[in-house]
Amino acid sequence: QITLKESGPTLVKPTQTLTLTCTFSGFSLSTSGLSVAWIRQPPGKALEWLALIYWDDDKRSSPSLKSRLTITKDTSKNQVVLTMTNMDPVDTATYYCAHRPEQRQGWHYWGQGTLVTVSS
Amino acid sequence: NFMLTQPHSVSESPGMTVTISCTRSSGNIASNYVQWYQKRPGSAPTIVIYEDNQRPSGVPDRFSGSIGSSSNSASLTISGLKTEDEADYYCQSYDTSNQVFGGGTKLTVL
Repeated sequence: QITLKESGPTLVKPTQTLTLTCTFSGFSLSTSGLSVAWIRQPPGKALEWLALIYWDDDKRSSPSLKSRLTITKDTSKNQVVLTMTNMDPVDTATYYCAHRPEQRQGWHYWGQGTLVTVSS
Repeated sequence: NFMLTQPHSVSESPGMTVTISCTRSSGNIASNYVQWYQKRPGSAPTIVIYEDNQRPSGVPDRFSGSIGSSSNSASLTISGLKTEDEADYYCQSYDTSNQVFGGGTKLTVL
């Protein structure tokens, strides 16, 4: 059974750095072909892809946020970590991590999401 | 980079059929698979179609997907509408560097 769960602060101040952790089970990110992504949804708005990391440590980030995002993995802990610098109130959103399984396109498994509010 | 454009909202009656479109702004829609997600308030998205027209296990066959090269768009069709289908639906595709989501379509079943 594959599960993912996001953890991190629920409230951050403007200009601070956000660090979110995705802890997963049921697969290993050292397995060829697998990947984990971060996706967010601001209140009342659309889903927005942020970043993804592949089993071989290849990484991709949204062009509009690239300068602010870092994604890393710790295979031994079954975790993927996203950091986003210089947080702003417009970054208030529910942040999800999601998993693309082997041999299939699409994000088939999602965490429950974590709401992050940016406010002073 | 490309965009995926969806209608803001659609509505239909229970038992009827509805189709939601997703138009790719540049590049060939057939070049990269399209996925569809259902998003209910307070819940994580769930995938209902992957690789243009494949249904994950557990998704009823009332849900189907297709692509149309002439319109450079993908479509999600839901037949035999049920009130439980009321949700936001998002298309998603990718290229070599990016994952792209459409703006979402609110489906109202009334």
